[in-house]
This record gives sequence, structure tokens and C-alpha cells, in this order.
Amino acid sequence: DAGITQSPRHKVTETGTPVTLRCHQTENHRYMYWYRQDPGHGLRLIHYSYGVKDTDKGEVSDGYSVSRSKTEDFLLTLESATSSQTSVYFCAISLAGTGEETQYFGPGTRLLVL
Amino acid sequence: SQQGEEDPQALSIQEGENATMNCSYKTSINNLQWYRQNSGRGLVHLILIRSNEREKHSGRLRVTLDTSKKSSSLLITASRAADTASYFCATDSIQGAQKLVFGQGTRLTINP
Repeated sequence: DAGITQSPRHKVTETGTPVTLRCHQTENHRYMYWYRQDPGHGLRLIHYSYGVKDTDKGEVSDGYSVSRSKTEDFLLTLESATSSQTSVYFCAISLAGTGEETQYFGPGTRLLVL
Repeated sequence: SQQGEEDPQALSIQEGENATMNCSYKTSINNLQWYRQNSGRGLVHLILIRSNEREKHSGRLRVTLDTSKKSSSLLITASRAADTASYFCATDSIQGAQKLVFGQGTRLTINP
């Protein structure tokens, strides 16, 4: 998985609780992304980062926030989890902007919100 | 909104046969990529085709791109059981940020 780890790999939580997912890379790539994958929707971009403290919204950013205080870590936070946020979350990294346009994906985090 | 629509949603063929999957998209693109996902795993990049290219090969993979029809196809020749997976197309419309928009995927099953 190209030096990308996600933690936790599985989580069950209750509606209304905060949840933070972590993505860690060892590749020193500038760009990092958070996607969610749901049946019938493929992958949808939540937020992405183009550098330390530089982030921007994706297609489905409502209810999510992100932070990137170090190049290697990109955190996704659900401030108050809802059942609609039950999903599989994938982190990805890339060398976008350098001519290398492949994205490399982590193993995913399965989140169940009860 | 979803940029890519993939067809078929599911495909089941015999080992050794060729598999063709199609992807249509809505807006102008910088490039189009195909990814594979094995069950329970992350996505793995297969091949990228740029908007000024019409065909590209990589091993048993052949990708075509028709920008006038806003469509692409992925052909896997001489399929193997290990090719069983979901295949996704993803479009990149803006140069630089690489904000990929994925299709819903085609579930390919290769029967031994």
C-alpha cells in the first residue's frame, strides 16, 4: 500500500460522538486526500491537502474537517458522527503537480455509526 | 455529482476470455485513470491516459479514450482468475490538484 497506513482500521461509534481517523505516509508526498466509498457511489472526495496546513474541500465535505500539521499525517474528523457517515474511508497520496499523477491508496477504515 | 458512469455494473466471464469495461464522463478532462480494487482492499492504479491520447497499452491492458464522445474503455485480454476485482475509472479535470472523480465501478468476476 505504498507506505500509507490508516488507523484505526475498524471503528464502531455512536451517533453524536466525535471521531478522528488518521492517515500516515512515509513517502513525503505533498498531496493527501480523504475519500469515502459507499455502495452505488464509488469513491467521493471529502477533503484534500496540498501541504502542511493547506487544505481544501472536496465533493462531500459537509460534516467533516481535516488537519495537517506534519507532512506525513492527515487527520479526518467527524465532529459529531451521524449514521449517514457510516462508510469505508480511504486515504490517498500523490505527487500531483510534478507530472506524476498516480494516486496511491491506503487500506481503508471501516466506520460504523450506530 | 458523479462524473463517471461505468458500464456494465457487473461482468462475469470465463478465464481466458477478454473483458471490456466502459466509462463515460460529463466534463472536459485532463486525464482519465483506471484503478482496480480487490475485495476489502484499497485501490491500485492500473493505467493513465491523457486527453491528447487515444489508446494506451500496459501488459494485458488496453485503454482507449474518445474525448468527442466523452468515453473510455478498458480491455483486459486473456483474463485470469486473479483479475477478479472491481474496476473504477477516474477523471482529473484540473491540472495540478488532481481532484479525481470516480465512477461507480464494474465488478468483474473471472470464472475458472
